[in-house]
Amino acid sequence: QVQLLQSGPGLVEPSQTLSVTCAISGDTISSNIAAWNWIRQSPSRGLEWLGRTYYRSGWYSDYAVSVKSRITINPDTSRNQFSLQLNSVTPEDTAVYYCVRDRDWGFDYWGQGTLVTVSS
Amino acid sequence: QTVVTQEPSLTVSPGGTVTLTCASSTGAVTSGYYPNWFQRKPGQAPRVLIYSTNNKHSWTPARFSGSLLGGKAALTLSGVQPEDEAEYYCLLYYGDTWVFGGGTKLTVL
Repeated sequence: QVQLLQSGPGLVEPSQTLSVTCAISGDTISSNIAAWNWIRQSPSRGLEWLGRTYYRSGWYSDYAVSVKSRITINPDTSRNQFSLQLNSVTPEDTAVYYCVRDRDWGFDYWGQGTLVTVSS
Repeated sequence: QTVVTQEPSLTVSPGGTVTLTCASSTGAVTSGYYPNWFQRKPGQAPRVLIYSTNNKHSWTPARFSGSLLGGKAALTLSGVQPEDEAEYYCLLYYGDTWVFGGGTKLTVL
């Protein structure tokens, strides 16, 4: 059974960096058939795919156009986890952030969600 | 900027059938867009019901099905139950990114 466990602060000040980590059990981040995604949910924006990291004989990351200039998703193979960093946050980035696995073009296992509020 | 469009809201009677659609601003949706359909209920994490057009997860109720219809991805609910009242989002793949639709609020009334 795959489990994703998220950790990270729930409050970030405007202009600072949002960081959330997702620890994987039951699968390996270096899987050749999975990708590791970040999705956020907010009342104003609905669901928004932010980006992913995956291994295919090398590490790759893809990002949504809307956040491409501010986002980094990094794998950590030693800890079997991956992280989201979003720079220069504004109140518009307030949302519940989820890490999600996709395998065979299907999204399946989710983290528990992290509510991040951007406020001073 | 790619836009994925869904019906903002639909209403269906219990026991009825309803089809939700998902269109792409780039043209016809094909299997190569690997459509995923998500259900979101208040206070709960979203869950994927259909992936890669018409594939079901082990937790997907049999009354949900996915297809391609008239150049769009489609999610059909047959024999709707009151607990199907929720928001439904489609997700399409564009080569190196995924894009969500704006969601359809389904009311069972």
